[in-house]
Amino acid sequence: QLQLQESGPGLVKASETLSLTCSVSGGAISGSGHLWGWIRQPPGRGLEWIGSFRDSGRKSTNYSPSLRSRVTISIDSSKNQFSLSLTSVTAADTAVYYCARHSDTVGITAFDIWGQGTMVTVSS
Amino acid sequence: ETVLTQSPATLSLSPGERATLSCRASQSVDRFVAWYQQKPGQAPRLLIYDATNRATGIPDRFSGSGSGADFTLTISSLEPEDFAVYYCQQRKYWPPLTFGGGTKVEMK
Repeated sequence: QLQLQESGPGLVKASETLSLTCSVSGGAISGSGHLWGWIRQPPGRGLEWIGSFRDSGRKSTNYSPSLRSRVTISIDSSKNQFSLSLTSVTAADTAVYYCARHSDTVGITAFDIWGQGTMVTVSS
Repeated sequence: ETVLTQSPATLSLSPGERATLSCRASQSVDRFVAWYQQKPGQAPRLLIYDATNRATGIPDRFSGSGSGADFTLTISSLEPEDFAVYYCQQRKYWPPLTFGGGTKVEMK
């Protein structure tokens, strides 16, 4: 059974870089045909997509236009993990960060498996 | 960017009642809409994908309908565990993938 788990610091200072890792178990990131993404949710607010990548076939990485200048998603296939880096953080980046699997071609074409989420607070 | 507008913001109903949630897109997204349920302190759970397809393990009291720019999630008879926040999401035009602002279904 596929499972995703986020990890990383719960507190980041303003202007520094937020770094999170999503560890995937029960299935491979690479070659699956699926997309793997990050979504965040500020306290008491709705869901915001950050970015996604595909590491098979037509490999690609896409980011939210509003965050593109500060975001990088990278993959470590050997560890079956992928990571999020968000630079120059401010209080507006305080949120629960989720990693999730989705698809646009194979299987269920939506975010069907989610990590439990990790809360990141940006302090001044 | 395709904006999704959900209505109402809050729906106050009693167990056993029917819930009808709306999601309107700023442009046609064909049938590429999903619905999620989120309870406090939990990750969202996929209910419906591509407008009408129930995800694995989702009870048949949940149903989705619509196409183009107007979509509906219906819960035929509310169970106590169905009181939660519901989000729609589109995948027709991305990036960015976009979510609606959510509808909270609360107990009357």
